Amino acid sequence: GAGVSQSPSNKVTEKGKDVELRCDPISGHTALYWYRQRLGQGLEFLIYFQGNSAPDKSGLPSDRFSAERTGESVSTLTIQRTQQEDSAVYLCASSRSKLAGVGETQYFGPGTRLLVL
Amino acid sequence: AQSVTQLDSQVPVFEEAPVELRCNYSSSVSVYLFWYVQYPNQGLQLLLKYLSGSTLVESINGFEAEFNKSQTSFHLRKPSVHISDTAEYFCAVTEDFGNEKLTFGTGTRLTIIP
Repeated sequence: GAGVSQSPSNKVTEKGKDVELRCDPISGHTALYWYRQRLGQGLEFLIYFQGNSAPDKSGLPSDRFSAERTGESVSTLTIQRTQQEDSAVYLCASSRSKLAGVGETQYFGPGTRLLVL
Repeated sequence: AQSVTQLDSQVPVFEEAPVELRCNYSSSVSVYLFWYVQYPNQGLQLLLKYLSGSTLVESINGFEAEFNKSQTSFHLRKPSVHISDTAEYFCAVTEDFGNEKLTFGTGTRLTIIP
């Protein structure tokens, strides 16, 4: 079946503008993760959704970042008042529920490359 | 808190030569370990993972990694590399509780020299 998809693939914005990034997980995957990869660095965890449970927002770097997910479908990551340090590749991943087994593989989307001028 | 160290940011290797990409982790609890690969212009994909059982795990394209608890390592090896192995390799760890978020290393860019 289809993999994780993300849109847009590239986004250039001006400092101070808001941006919205979209992630379509694999159908049936109840867990969804957002990560960020800044140049020369590893991926860093941002937020986690599992079904209808409250999301784990412990990785969000500031209150300018927020994310939503309706049920087990699409998720959007919103960055308000973007700053140059927000420039990065934003990756979304989905996996089956942890109840299906520990260490479930996370399947990654192609990412959205964000450049804040 | 868990962390992952990949000391080698770039590794050039001649075709058909062996390679080892190093990964060390730090965690106070039991962990699961992963290697992800990112081929040029493609997304991250799982290469192999260690959950439990045999400490040596293998991928379908000839890579293997061995979990060494005493040395807190999970090095990736291949006895003979191919041009198609050119990619960036990321080691990752997750703890066996909570939301299983992955903590990644900074990646190792493997370049195969013909």
